[in-house]
Amino acid sequence: QIQLVQSGPELKKPGESVKISCKASGYTFTDYAMHWVKQAPGKGLKWMGWINTYTGKPTYADDFKGRFVFSLEASASTANLQISNLKNEDTATYFCARFSLDYGGYRYWGQGVMVTVSS
Amino acid sequence: DIVLTQSPALAVSLGQRATISCRASQSVSISRYNLMHWYQQKPGQQPKLLIYRASNLASGIPARFSGSGSGTDFTLTINPVQADDIATYYCQQSRESPFTFGSGTKLEIK
Repeated sequence: QIQLVQSGPELKKPGESVKISCKASGYTFTDYAMHWVKQAPGKGLKWMGWINTYTGKPTYADDFKGRFVFSLEASASTANLQISNLKNEDTATYFCARFSLDYGGYRYWGQGVMVTVSS
Repeated sequence: DIVLTQSPALAVSLGQRATISCRASQSVSISRYNLMHWYQQKPGQQPKLLIYRASNLASGIPARFSGSGSGTDFTLTINPVQADDIATYYCQQSRESPFTFGSGTKLEIK
C-alpha cells in the first residue's frame, strides 16, 4: 500500500538548522510530485511549495523562499525539507503530501513532523 | 494569490445536514475542471481528502459527504452529520500556484 512516512519530532534552538524526511513506498517515487504543508500550533494549513521528483526542481511559495530547501534522495524514494536559521515562528508540524494530477489534490499524506524551536 | 474564504465554525445537531462553504477570490475552474478540494482534519492527525475536483468523492469516504460548486463558490455537505464528523474542514485550490488553503471551518455539535 502507498505510504509516506516522515521522520521524528525535532527540538531545536533559534539559529540552528533542521532536516526532516518523507519516505515514500508503494508506488514509483518519480511519478508524483511531493508537496509540503506547514501547520503552526492551533492554526490552519499553509502551502509551502513542491518538488518535481523526476527533475528535482523545487518551487517555493513566497513566504518560504530563502531559508527553506526541498531536496530528494530519489534512490531512497525520499523527499527532504531543510530549514536553516530557525526562528520561533518555524515551530509547527510539517506535512509532506503526494500530489496527483488525477485528483488535483492530496490523497496521501505523511503523518507530520513536529518541529519545536525554543531557546 | 487566490484567497479562499471559509466561515470559522458551524454548529449542527447530530443527524442533521451541515453545509460548509468556500468562496474563492477568483475562479478556480479550468474548462470543465473545478480545481477545488476538501479535506477533513482531526486533532493530531494529518488531513484526509474527502472531495476532489469539487464534486468527486475520494476513495473510502462515506456517501454522506458530497461537494458542489464551480467558479468561485463551493460547498461541502455532510448529511446526516455523525459524531465522528467533528473536525475542521479545509478547502484547497490547485488552479494556480500557490495552492492555497482556506482558513478552515470547525464543525461542532449543537
